[in-house]
Amino acid sequence: DTGVSQNPRHKITKRGQNVTFRCDPISEHNRLYWYRQTLGQGPEFLTYFQNEAQLEKSRLLSDRFSAERPKGSFSTLEIQRTEQGDSAMYLCASSPWQGARTEAFFGQGTRLTVV
Amino acid sequence: QKEVEQDPGPLSVPEGAIVSLNCTYSNSAFQYFMWYRQYSRKGPELLMYTYSSGNKEDGRFTAQVDKSSKYISLFIRDSQPSDSATYLCAMNGIGKLTFGKGITLSVRP
Repeated sequence: DTGVSQNPRHKITKRGQNVTFRCDPISEHNRLYWYRQTLGQGPEFLTYFQNEAQLEKSRLLSDRFSAERPKGSFSTLEIQRTEQGDSAMYLCASSPWQGARTEAFFGQGTRLTVV
Repeated sequence: QKEVEQDPGPLSVPEGAIVSLNCTYSNSAFQYFMWYRQYSRKGPELLMYTYSSGNKEDGRFTAQVDKSSKYISLFIRDSQPSDSATYLCAMNGIGKLTFGKGITLSVRP
């Protein structure tokens, strides 16, 4: 399968624990996005990378959140000291971002539940 | 004012109806426009993508962009129960992808 892959699909964690999610983009897509989505809302921007460079972070992304994309391939999103308000679907998308080809493709998401 | 506003829902139509979904935007930098379909507890699936004003057709779906009015639409012809989902508009310029809130469509058999 050549689509965007996210792992794990589901994560249940206790408040205060750290969690890490992984995203494998479509091969050769140079742009990678992270979004968060809660019930009844559209995806909310967290951050994005162009190759390995993190170009923008949302002001909503507190210091407890960090994302990396080493070597411009897969990406990880880490949440430290999780809070119940972090419970959401975390979505990753990738885009070729070449000329007019800017369309973004999403993975199936990682559903986080903080108890 | 939010950068992207999407008509509120939910929307319920009978099978076979023509559905019109709409979004407006305020940021003139937006140049690329997408429509996604999202089923419950799944990731958004790209339906339509366009970067110019005018219409783009793909089967029963037509995406329309009017950059002068900052208005985009998605039309679904001959709607089917399998079209029941949440539809999200999204757009970007050179940076992040910005989404509307989404509208939930239900097509009644």
